Amino acid sequence: KNQVEQSPQSLIILEGKNCTLQCNYTVSPFSNLRWYKQDTGRGPVSLTIMTFSENTKSNGRYTATLDADTKQSSLHITASQLSDSASYICVVGYQAGTALIFGKGTTLSVSS
Amino acid sequence: DTAVSQTPKYLVTQMGNDKSIKCEQNLGHDTMYWYKQDSKKFLKIMFSYNNKELIINETVPNRFSPKSPDKAHLNLHINSLELGDSAVYFCASSQDRGRGEAFFGQGTRLTVV
Repeated sequence: KNQVEQSPQSLIILEGKNCTLQCNYTVSPFSNLRWYKQDTGRGPVSLTIMTFSENTKSNGRYTATLDADTKQSSLHITASQLSDSASYICVVGYQAGTALIFGKGTTLSVSS
Repeated sequence: DTAVSQTPKYLVTQMGNDKSIKCEQNLGHDTMYWYKQDSKKFLKIMFSYNNKELIINETVPNRFSPKSPDKAHLNLHINSLELGDSAVYFCASSQDRGRGEAFFGQGTRLTVV
């Protein structure tokens, strides 16, 4: 069964600290893995997309890693800011990328 | 300019009514989607259209009918609304039959009373 599991479900950190969010998947045939940020009341916004051959990709303070052998990905946020408070969703593409499986997201709260 | 726009943003209606949500994208993408986000914030795909052709149709009640008059528009029509239809509905678009980055609209919060 195609599944995407994320951990932790929620996370609270202080402004300026780093954090890492985890994603494990059992999706086949794997095509790509995406991380999205969803602010409250808004649509998801893409942070990174990685294919099978890529094991790391950065977008500003966001760095995603992918281990296709263990089927794990992580999203590392450096020097967190209050505006990073959002839900972070891991999404795995299959069927040559035309279909997507969404994780349930990690809710990140950054406090001052 | 808004890349993916959907209207209305909020929709409150009574059970049994029929309603439509409109979506338009100005990105020139060939693929458009409708997603449903439930109260637990879980996003699930409902439909996907590529150049006006239906390519993904997940298990949704046939009260939901997508309509794509052209590749820049994908509207969602819902008949005989039920309480369980209350959710946030997102429209999205992407290039290359979904392999490219997906851009989402702002969402339509549907409340059925």
